[in-house]
Amino acid sequence: QKEVEQDPGPLSVPEGAIVSLNCTYSNSAFQYFMWYRQYSRKGPELLMYTYSSGNKEDGRFTAQVDKSSKYISLFIRDSQPSDSATYLCAMSRLNTGNQFYFGTGTSLTVIP
Amino acid sequence: NAGVMQNPRHLVRRRGQEARLRCSPMKGHSHVYWYRQLPEEGLKFMVYLQKENIIDESGMPKERFSAEFPKEGPSILRIQQVVRGDSAAYFCASSPIEDTQYFGPGTRLTVL
Repeated sequence: QKEVEQDPGPLSVPEGAIVSLNCTYSNSAFQYFMWYRQYSRKGPELLMYTYSSGNKEDGRFTAQVDKSSKYISLFIRDSQPSDSATYLCAMSRLNTGNQFYFGTGTSLTVIP
Repeated sequence: NAGVMQNPRHLVRRRGQEARLRCSPMKGHSHVYWYRQLPEEGLKFMVYLQKENIIDESGMPKERFSAEFPKEGPSILRIQQVVRGDSAAYFCASSPIEDTQYFGPGTRLTVL
């Protein structure tokens, strides 16, 4: 079983839709949870960073962590064509000095 | 503040040659991580370094791969006697002591 599971998609939505991206994980020691956005042939760009359980909101993006279910989500409101990218979840046991475990990424296309 | 720099961005090598990938972390960041990304796969951790020290190399292949982060200059990922299976995107990330990882644009290695 992989440490982190993520549905690869692809996911295609109309502009303005609410997008839900999800990851599950198996290691209960994970404490830090990140979402990265990666445009084609570019490096991953940090979007959201949360510690332990709960919600975190930043503009149109909301990250949720449910440690009891080992499940994390990223919601994108009012999706825009510029949101079209691959979204990677990542997690680690410590905030630094430790390797990150990545999902395989979900490819998202927002259609104008 | 410049981001993480990687060069070259694209590297072509013939089988049996050596590949050297360079990474300059963000200013003030003393932790460097190397990841490999294959098509349709997530980012795979390779090695974590601090200045002059390899902290965790659990993701590095046992042969042909090495990494260093000298006191002065960039971090280097070195692949000796490259094979076709080494073709991938290699990403470097850096972090300060108390924060998450920020990624560079990657080096795309093609082995002919």
